[in-house]
Amino acid sequence: DVKVTQSSRYLVKRTGEKVFLECVQDMDHENMFWYRQDPGLGLRLIYFSYDVKMKEKGDIPEGYSVSREKKERFSLILESASTNQTSMYLCASRTGGIRGELFFGEGSRLTVL
Amino acid sequence: LAKTTQPISMDSYEGQEVNITCSHNNIATNDYITWYQQFPSQGPRFIIQGYKTKVTNEVASLFIPADRKSSTLSLPRVSLSDTAVYYCLVSAPSTGFQKLVFGTGTRLLVSP
Repeated sequence: DVKVTQSSRYLVKRTGEKVFLECVQDMDHENMFWYRQDPGLGLRLIYFSYDVKMKEKGDIPEGYSVSREKKERFSLILESASTNQTSMYLCASRTGGIRGELFFGEGSRLTVL
Repeated sequence: LAKTTQPISMDSYEGQEVNITCSHNNIATNDYITWYQQFPSQGPRFIIQGYKTKVTNEVASLFIPADRKSSTLSLPRVSLSDTAVYYCLVSAPSTGFQKLVFGTGTRLLVSP
């Protein structure tokens, strides 16, 4: 079974703190994604990566950065957390190409005080 | 990038067939249509994918008309455990890479 593991299920941080959300997949997938999910807004794409050290902005990249130093690991970074970044963050991976399903982690619920 | 539009919510009863329609008017020639299901406190999971006409698997059917501007997810004989949010997704190849964008989804509530 494909497994996508997010390092923390729940985090509480203070405004201005630097936050790292880690995601690891074990199926050698080329593509990895970070989404955030908020009530009434569905899933919104923050960043995605199609190869090591390669990244593309999604629809809401402002306030976030990402890192992909190894194929299996994709990190989301909040340089200076703000209260409007309180959300559920979901990582996903999939194989390259036009088809193929997304495999999601269980999510990381971040609260910024 | 093809934008998708779905009903915000739907209600049904156990044993009924449920059809959820997704509109994607500006779908591109090479785009595929994929549906995901999400339960509370979990990430979405794949249900079904198609390009045209009809696709069926063990849990659902997907109907896509010839113009491909919409698609319908059909869930036969729903049960309480089918209560979830359902997302329609249109893949958007761009320079060979995949930017996968979800819409707001349809919240399905199945009652006894």
